[in-house]
Amino acid sequence: GAVVSQHPSRVICKSGTSVKIECRSLDFQATTMFWYRQFPKQSLMLMATSNEGSKATYEQGVEKDKFLINHASLTLSTLTVTSAHPEDSSFYICSARGGTDYNSPLHFGNGTRLTVT
Amino acid sequence: KQEVTQIPAALSVPEGENLVLNCSFTDSAIYNLQWFRQDPGKGLTSLLLIQSSQREQTSGRLNASLDKSSGRSTLYIAASQPGDSATYLCAVGIYNQGGKLIFGQGTELSVKP
Repeated sequence: GAVVSQHPSRVICKSGTSVKIECRSLDFQATTMFWYRQFPKQSLMLMATSNEGSKATYEQGVEKDKFLINHASLTLSTLTVTSAHPEDSSFYICSARGGTDYNSPLHFGNGTRLTVT
Repeated sequence: KQEVTQIPAALSVPEGENLVLNCSFTDSAIYNLQWFRQDPGKGLTSLLLIQSSQREQTSGRLNASLDKSSGRSTLYIAASQPGDSATYLCAVGIYNQGGKLIFGQGTELSVKP
């Protein structure tokens, strides 16, 4: 089946540094990718939606200058957490859809655990 | 604004028991509803997808129903096993913004041997 690879799975960084998370669709072209954030024991909160070649659409309350999303190709989207702070520590998950049909499956990466010290 | 609620938040059952997880949503303008499983520290595995025109879907020991008019869905798990222990999330797909999913907060299931 379709696979979405998310890398790294875990990252620890110092406060003030930037971290890049990659999300790749391995065997399909991802027309749309979604980035979610999950706090412990809580649900997934959508951060932004990205379509290949266009600017990401951010959810209300998500700082676009802090969470930079790039969807430069049909197989790769990146999320960069800039000037990370301890409150940015969270579990980040990407998902990708291969078609334009909303009922086509969404495939999820295995997530990235970010810890900011 | 679409809101998705799951009840109960946590559930512990003995092995072999049949169980039902509940999901409710506030806006019936959805294109589908999906149930996912999440193991600790992992991503999501899709279990069942019910399109808005459908009433239910089945896969093995799992059966999911959808009642759009009342804003409810249930996930029925038959003959539960310890390997079913995980967090179960329901999500509704809404039409705008690329068909994004809005998630409930999940039900943490523990099946005791």
